[in-house]
Amino acid sequence: DAKTTQPPSMDCAEGRAANLPCNHSTISGNEYVYWYRQIHSQGPQYIIHGLKNNETNEMASLIITEDRKSSTLILPHATLRDTAVYYCIQGVETGANNLFFGTGTRLTVIP
Amino acid sequence: DTEVTQTPKHLVMGMTNKKSLKCEQHMGHRAMYWYKQKAKKPPELMFVYSYEKLSINESVPSRFSPECPNSSLLNLHLHALQPEDSALYLCASSFGTTNTEAFFGQGTRLTVV
Repeated sequence: DAKTTQPPSMDCAEGRAANLPCNHSTISGNEYVYWYRQIHSQGPQYIIHGLKNNETNEMASLIITEDRKSSTLILPHATLRDTAVYYCIQGVETGANNLFFGTGTRLTVIP
Repeated sequence: DTEVTQTPKHLVMGMTNKKSLKCEQHMGHRAMYWYKQKAKKPPELMFVYSYEKLSINESVPSRFSPECPNSSLLNLHLHALQPEDSALYLCASSFGTTNTEAFFGQGTRLTVV
């Protein structure tokens, strides 16, 4: 079952940073936080994941609080193509073995 | 090749028909998955195969029958479906089931009439 909570929707101006929050207050010590996104009518796409340290890749940055009960996904310069539903997921194992999707945040990037 | 290929992209079937959905990957992944996604809802996990063995069945009705003939292929056999089974069916794969990213296909949009 989904264990994370996210705001249902957010807007972001094109070119600005998009900061998407996620609460995972029940996360245990061996659970990771994963972020996926789903652009309309496409399959979900992996973005990033982390355990307790902040992570960065070519798509985004993941900031995890020290108590690990929440995290923020940052898209540094949002473009119109970043409009999608963003899912934050917690799980011990991954691949999709433990990927129970919550309702996600619908991000709309505005020109 | 970092793709998961699903065929067909669209399928319309009657309630008495038998059809199959196909999923293929050539990334050497040993875990493969089926998800079902209704409109405006998140994907729901249906089945997990690990090393060609069914490891998870999330209480899916028997009218859905998965098959993993080899490590690159995953099928979902459909029989006697109901209109409420109409949905987007997504296949995913990963290298293992521990701490690796999952790759999703574009899905098969199924309509049961």
